[in-house]
Amino acid sequence: NAGVTQTPKFQVLKTGQSMTLQCAQDMNHNSMYWYRQDPGMGLRLIYYSASEGTTDKGEVPNGYNVSRLNKREFSLRLESAAPSQTSVYFCASSEWQGDYGYTFGSGTRLTVV
Amino acid sequence: AQSVTQLDSQVPVFEEAPVELRCNYSSSVSVYLFWYVQYPNQGLQLLLKYLSGSTLVESINGFEAEFNKSQTSFHLRKPSVHISDTAEYFCAVSEGGNNRKLIWGLGTSLAVNP
Repeated sequence: NAGVTQTPKFQVLKTGQSMTLQCAQDMNHNSMYWYRQDPGMGLRLIYYSASEGTTDKGEVPNGYNVSRLNKREFSLRLESAAPSQTSVYFCASSEWQGDYGYTFGSGTRLTVV
Repeated sequence: AQSVTQLDSQVPVFEEAPVELRCNYSSSVSVYLFWYVQYPNQGLQLLLKYLSGSTLVESINGFEAEFNKSQTSFHLRKPSVHISDTAEYFCAVSEGGNNRKLIWGLGTSLAVNP
């Protein structure tokens, strides 16, 4: 099983450019999440989708948008990238709101110059 | 409000020595507890979890954690570490009820030296 697949793995953007990070899971999980990880700040939740058709803001949603395209896919969009969005982004999924733990993708390392 | 505190940001240890990574949480209701491991340049992997039942839970690679309700702790231990255990370890908590997102600690960096 592939689990959670994120694309791309690396990306460099110029300030003001836009991009979409893709995430897909093949475990028939209901809930999906987008996190960013920065040194010394742990994991911070950007957006999540408790089930297909719903999305909600996390701790740090400003500058991001999401789309739960179907049960498998959950994308994260940066409309106008800023240097403060330089980070490692992780997508995760869970069977139902984290009762049994999350499965993470391998991450996208984004640099905004 | 629910929170998770990992008491040590860095833990250096020699190979084959025992190690304890400490995690405390604040919550007034029943919780689910998790430890995740992140090896360099990888995503996070579930190491072990406590949902209910026995308060001592074990992983397949020799780690164990004990849920202590009175002290609101879920410390991670291993009696003898290997170089390959070098990684970042995250403690996470989820409350019961409708809103069960995980609340994360900031992580503990375990460095195993030869």
